[in-house]
Amino acid sequence: GENVEQHPSTLSVQEGDSAVIKCTYSDSASNYFPWYKQELGKRPQLIIDIRSNVGEKKDQRIAVTLNKTAKHFSLHITETQPEDSAVYFCAATYPGAAQKLVFGQGTRLTINP
Amino acid sequence: DSGVTQTPKHLITATGQRVTLRCSPRSGDLSVYWYQQSLDQGLQFLIQYYNGEERAKGNILERFSAQQFPDLHSELNLSSLELGDSALYFCASSVVDFVTGELFFGEGSRLTVL
Repeated sequence: GENVEQHPSTLSVQEGDSAVIKCTYSDSASNYFPWYKQELGKRPQLIIDIRSNVGEKKDQRIAVTLNKTAKHFSLHITETQPEDSAVYFCAATYPGAAQKLVFGQGTRLTINP
Repeated sequence: DSGVTQTPKHLITATGQRVTLRCSPRSGDLSVYWYQQSLDQGLQFLIQYYNGEERAKGNILERFSAQQFPDLHSELNLSSLELGDSALYFCASSVVDFVTGELFFGEGSRLTVL
């Protein structure tokens, strides 16, 4: 079915360390994978995305990797800072008569000073 | 500010009642999406409209309905409300779809059903 599994649900790392969040999708036809960051009490905002014709994309301290064979994609945050604390959502498109963007359950990331 | 406007920001009502949530998309965006976020839950896709027409449907209950008007604003109607409908309802918009253009979220409407 249309499902995106996201792990872990909570993640706590020391400031300066790296954080990795992983997602799995089920439809091999999925072709677009965005990541959204939601700070407490705020709206989700796009931080990075990747399309199925690319294996990796980087934007400063944030990178996303995609393994189409395994239907996995991951968010990597390096040199974490306190402002990285938020809930992160992965998402994947599910093709059909109309594409749907299905979100994972979210990962609450806490950066400890 | 994403440019997507949602009203009301907060709403408290009783079980069995009906409410309407309103969304104005960013200027120029033709698609509007509704998502439900329950406490500590992910974003559940409800429905998408494109230029006034329903385009995609997710896990939207029969008690819920939505529409997009000629001026492209959208309304989500929730009826026969139950305690479990308490959630943050987000509207989002994009130029055409979320693949060709970023999805911009509004600040959400927090619904509390007592």
